[in-house]
Amino acid sequence: EVQLVESGGGLIQPGGSLRLSCAASGFTFSNYALNWVRQAPGKGLEWVSTVSGNGDYIYYADSVKGRFTISRDNSMNTVYLQMNSLRAEDTAVYYCAKKATTGPYNWFDPWGQGTLVTVSS
Amino acid sequence: EIVMTQSPATLSVSPGERATLSCRAGQSVSSNLAWYQQKPGQAPRLLIYGASTRATGIPARFTGSGSGTEFTLTISSLQSEDFAVYYCHQYNNWPLTFGGGTKVEIK
Repeated sequence: EVQLVESGGGLIQPGGSLRLSCAASGFTFSNYALNWVRQAPGKGLEWVSTVSGNGDYIYYADSVKGRFTISRDNSMNTVYLQMNSLRAEDTAVYYCAKKATTGPYNWFDPWGQGTLVTVSS
Repeated sequence: EIVMTQSPATLSVSPGERATLSCRAGQSVSSNLAWYQQKPGQAPRLLIYGASTRATGIPARFTGSGSGTEFTLTISSLQSEDFAVYYCHQYNNWPLTFGGGTKVEIK
């Protein structure tokens, strides 16, 4: 069974930094891209970032470009999201989601349970 | 960026009735569209990909259709467990984008 378990969320002051982790199991980790998707309280879903299986290809939403960095450690079956210069509008549940297939298109299945990041003074 | 517009924002339906949810893309996404279901306090769950292919374990009462810019998710006979928020997602172009969601509530 595929499992994704996020950790690292919490309360952080504006301008601060936080690193999220997503530990994966149940599949050949290096074969699949991984994604971060966030959901502000009471709002919809927003794609944040994607890293390819070998880490060669990385994409970011404009809203986080230059502040967030996605990375992965295939020896640890873990993907990370380093978040710097955090703003109140970054407050959200952050989900890790696996690219469903090894093909060219990136839909998400499954998703982790999410970790809450709250940016507030 | 491809803007995805879902309608209606809220759909009130009685159990056993049919629900029809719409998703419109700002430009063609071919058939590169997925639907997800999200219940309160839970992560989203994949229902449909490729506009019309049901994901593993998804009941046949869920049907996706459409291509290009117009897509529909139909739930043929609503069960109690189907009351949730539904999101469409285009993965044809970067950045990947979602619709704003349709909440299906009990009438």
